[in-house]
Amino acid sequence: EIVMTQSPASLSVSPGERATLSCRASQSVSNDLAWYQQKPGQAPRLIIYGASTRATGFSDRFSGSGSGTEFTLTISSLRSEDFAVYYCQQYNYWPSFGGGTKVEIK
Amino acid sequence: EVLLVESGGGFVQPGRSLRLSCAASGFSFDDYAMHWVRQVPGRGLEWVSGISWSGSNIAYADSVKGRVNISRDNAKNSLFLQMNSLRPEDTALYYCAKDLIPQMYASGVLFDKWGQGTLVNVSP
Repeated sequence: EIVMTQSPASLSVSPGERATLSCRASQSVSNDLAWYQQKPGQAPRLIIYGASTRATGFSDRFSGSGSGTEFTLTISSLRSEDFAVYYCQQYNYWPSFGGGTKVEIK
Repeated sequence: EVLLVESGGGFVQPGRSLRLSCAASGFSFDDYAMHWVRQVPGRGLEWVSGISWSGSNIAYADSVKGRVNISRDNAKNSLFLQMNSLRPEDTALYYCAKDLIPQMYASGVLFDKWGQGTLVNVSP
């Protein structure tokens, strides 16, 4: 099983600032990495796949990078609607998710 | 608009069974693989099972293998999860999720649309 580890577990950011979220895989997953956003009481939404390709409907304020075992999701200029929990997921070999990073308002 | 609506969850005693259903609309159901993903309230996500567009390719997480069966009825745009020998650790919100492609292989399982989930609570 490929274990995904996200850091930090939570992040306090002021509106308008940048948030940088990290995700590490226990072995190389190439660029088979997705990011999801989940707001309270809602299902997750796909934001990024292929490590850096934005899904339809998501702002270019969201950007993904990395390959192999180290990945980053950057949210530039945070807005109120961006405060949520973000999960990474590898799909290189049977899917597995990270534990999530909660982005909170500072 | 893609819509996935789960049903069938509830309170059940350990060892009993439940059958979850997912009604799909707004897309060509038989063009995509489908999955079940669960989430313990307040916790992370775990892929449970997936099925290819035709039903010929099926896979399960080790945590449920031998206890659950996934199936689909393309004529009725529906996905199912038969859960047997339920355990307290199966307690979770179960999401139906659509893949981006028709096939399902070990590599490439991705979820681009999700339902709102149905809650399964296994307790004595």
